[in-house]
Amino acid sequence: EVQLVESGGGLIQPGGSLRLSCAASGFTVSNNYMSWVRQAPGKGLEWVSLIYSGGSTYYADSVKGRFTISRDNSKNTLFLQMNSLRAEDTAVYYCARGTDIVPTDYWGQGTLVTVTS
Amino acid sequence: SYELTQPPSVSVSPGQTASITCSGDKLGNKNACWYQQKPGQSPVLVIYQDNRRPSGIPERFSGSNSGNTATLTISGTQAVDEADYYCQAWDTSLYVFGTGTKVTVL
Repeated sequence: EVQLVESGGGLIQPGGSLRLSCAASGFTVSNNYMSWVRQAPGKGLEWVSLIYSGGSTYYADSVKGRFTISRDNSKNTLFLQMNSLRAEDTAVYYCARGTDIVPTDYWGQGTLVTVTS
Repeated sequence: SYELTQPPSVSVSPGQTASITCSGDKLGNKNACWYQQKPGQSPVLVIYQDNRRPSGIPERFSGSNSGNTATLTISGTQAVDEADYYCQAWDTSLYVFGTGTKVTVL
């Protein structure tokens, strides 16, 4: 059974840093496309970042240069390093698995990041 | 940047058909997916590759994609289908979500 469990969210001041983790089971992270998607309170879904099985990474313009997606193959875990956080980064962050025919077929339960002074 | 536009809300009576549109430039040339999200829950994939249903998704959900518009159709809508629905377009370097549509079953 495919499972994704995010962790690492919390309360952080503007300008601070946070690292989110997404522990995967039931499949191999490095063999799939993995994404981070966020949802601000009461708002819609926003794609944040993507890492392909080959290691190529992509970012939404809103986070480019501040966020870094990575993975630890030995731990079968996906990460999102978030630096220079802003109030507008406040959201529930979901990790999601994808394949070459489906961008995001399985989603985690999400972790809440709140950026506030 | 690429944008996808959906109507904010759609109302439908039980047993009737709900159609949700998703508009974007040359959207028909991209792959389109649809997600259902209920309050407090993670999104669930209901349509991928324009018109394919994942296992476990009821047959009343169908999709199409041509020109500048993708459409999600829910036939014989049930109360359990009340939720927010998001379209998504994707290609090699870009994943984009639509603005979302709240479906209300009256």
